Amino acid sequence: QQQVKQSPQSLIVQKGGISIINCAYENTAFDYFPWYQQFPGKGPALLIAIRPDVSEKKEGRFTISFNKSAKQFSLHIMDSQPGDSATYFCAASKGGYSTLTFGKGTMLLVSP
Amino acid sequence: EPEVTQTPSHQVTQMGQEVILRCVPISNHLYFYWYRQILGQKVEFLVSFYNNEISEKSEIFDDQFSVERPDGSNFTLKIRSTKLEDSAMYFCASSGWGRGETQYFGPGTRLLVL
Repeated sequence: QQQVKQSPQSLIVQKGGISIINCAYENTAFDYFPWYQQFPGKGPALLIAIRPDVSEKKEGRFTISFNKSAKQFSLHIMDSQPGDSATYFCAASKGGYSTLTFGKGTMLLVSP
Repeated sequence: EPEVTQTPSHQVTQMGQEVILRCVPISNHLYFYWYRQILGQKVEFLVSFYNNEISEKSEIFDDQFSVERPDGSNFTLKIRSTKLEDSAMYFCASSGWGRGETQYFGPGTRLLVL
């Protein structure tokens, strides 16, 4: 019940296209859902996060869509750029300073 | 911009040896974490630390592991007797306070146990 399932495992998108990564969770106690971006050899860096009281959050080219009833959330990267090529992890926590439960990650490659 | 730092960046050790991984969290943060990432796999939680004590730990964090905040700036993870399966990237993270406060991750220490 602590798992966060992420798909796809890898994704190739053309420059300018939309990248979509999906995550699903089971634990209804989760109430904080961040997305992290990780470049090779670096630590994960927070990209954008959402709470269940909103269905969508947008920051620049990055949008999280959240479906509380389906217990699913997704990351959309609009106008994908080669610099977006990285591994993306969804995560969930029970809020406060609680630990993060990560998905398995999606390796995104944006082709020029 | 403040950042979490970790040393060493790489550590190679023999099975059975003790290793200490060091982290300097962001200075005004109160919560500290260790995570690990086995090559090609997801990031896994090990332990969280607040107010000089462990607040939560995973099943991975067994008696071979310990954490310490020896002074006002460092946060360490000790593995007493390393095993081959301890080979992984170890990330330190810290966060401030408040609900869902962002966890900031360090660049990691790559540990290789031979």
